[in-house]
Amino acid sequence: NFLLTQPHSVSESPGKTVTLSCTRTSGSIASSYVQWYQQRPGSAPTTVIYEDDQRPSGVPDRFSGSIDTSSNSASLTISGLKTEDEADYYCQSYENNFQVFGGGTKLTVL
Amino acid sequence: QVQLVQSGAEVKKPGSSVKVSCKASGGTFSTYPISWVRQAPGQGLEWMGRTIPILGLVNYAQKFQGRVTITADKSTSTAYMELSSLRSDDTAIYYCAMDTSITSWGQGTLVTVPS
Repeated sequence: NFLLTQPHSVSESPGKTVTLSCTRTSGSIASSYVQWYQQRPGSAPTTVIYEDDQRPSGVPDRFSGSIDTSSNSASLTISGLKTEDEADYYCQSYENNFQVFGGGTKLTVL
Repeated sequence: QVQLVQSGAEVKKPGSSVKVSCKASGGTFSTYPISWVRQAPGQGLEWMGRTIPILGLVNYAQKFQGRVTITADKSTSTAYMELSSLRSDDTAIYYCAMDTSITSWGQGTLVTVPS
């Protein structure tokens, strides 16, 4: 099985843009969809991006997802950062009916 | 979108088993994969396994193989996760999640196994 590697923590200022990365260690990032989940302290995760770049209704268009086959990675970009965006973000993908989660990135907005 | 409501918190003795339920409403239950994911205190998300009720298909993460059983009751739109031979490091919040392209999550169930 492959792993999904995420930076442990990222900090950025309100109003700025931040990009969170998720690198697949083996196999192609394009072989299975990537999802992104937001988890605020004390709450269950929620989906902010599905199928690489799709945004559920209700998720602000400040959130966008993409994949890059050259770096074999997925990215979650959040523009116009707000303090409410401070949370843990997890990427997730599949292989042969098995799911894999990244270790998560703690985003601090200060 | 599907709503998933899980059973309440549990405190279990080491060596015992726990069974957590996850009732779905607002969607077609049996068609979509239902996964179980756990999160130990201060840790990340860990996938345990999943079922697709209409296919009778079940997959388990290797780490939990032999210790976890995931089932589904189509008549009540409820999925279950049973974990046996509990240890203190099984203390975690256990989530169910249904993947209808967009993943819907249950509210989580805290299972505590005192050492």
